[in-house]
Amino acid sequence: SAVISQKPSRDICQRGTSLTIQCQVDSQVTMMFWYRQQPGQSLTLIATANQGSEATYESGFVIDKFPISRPNLTFSTLTVSNMSPEDSSIYLCSVVKKPYEQYFGPGTRLTVT
Amino acid sequence: DAKTTQPTSMDCAEGRAANLPCNHSTISGNEYVYWYRQIHSQGPQYIIHGLKNNETNEMASLIITEDRKSSTLILPHATLRDTAVYYCIVRVANSGNTPLVFGKGTRLSVIA
Repeated sequence: SAVISQKPSRDICQRGTSLTIQCQVDSQVTMMFWYRQQPGQSLTLIATANQGSEATYESGFVIDKFPISRPNLTFSTLTVSNMSPEDSSIYLCSVVKKPYEQYFGPGTRLTVT
Repeated sequence: DAKTTQPTSMDCAEGRAANLPCNHSTISGNEYVYWYRQIHSQGPQYIIHGLKNNETNEMASLIITEDRKSSTLILPHATLRDTAVYYCIVRVANSGNTPLVFGKGTRLSVIA
């Protein structure tokens, strides 16, 4: 299994500001994933973060809005930049530890006012 | 990855078996069926997965039809804590570095 922690667990931010979300894993992993879950919706993949290379973004998500860092094999950050109320969501990081099991962090609940 | 179809919501009486269906008629031979659930305000949790044989673990059983076009997740004795959204996901084998793609899932309500 994998133990994943995220900081902060929740935050309320003003529009136009930025928030950096941290994800820490209890062991080394090759890839980390960032998802967004808008209110009442399913999870949507934002990007895949490899250590030592640029993150790969899904359609509809861009680096300027969601810059990601992956400085080592146990840590990653996602920044939500220039926030608007539409960015109010739960943001989750995720890793694959076994060949077929993907684990998720507890999520960061973001409210933009 | 193949697409899945699940009912939007289901109810189940506490203590009874919860049977959650999933259609995946376009599944390929090398694709597994995965089930995850998301309890309110938590990250998704892995439940079980299978290729073509029925599978059972401490949480649930997975029944896959012989043609593999559909499957059923069974929670044998549902409790109130099983109330969650259940996601059926089809995924290529050995794709450990490929992220899961979530559909809308089934919202299961366990009723006392």
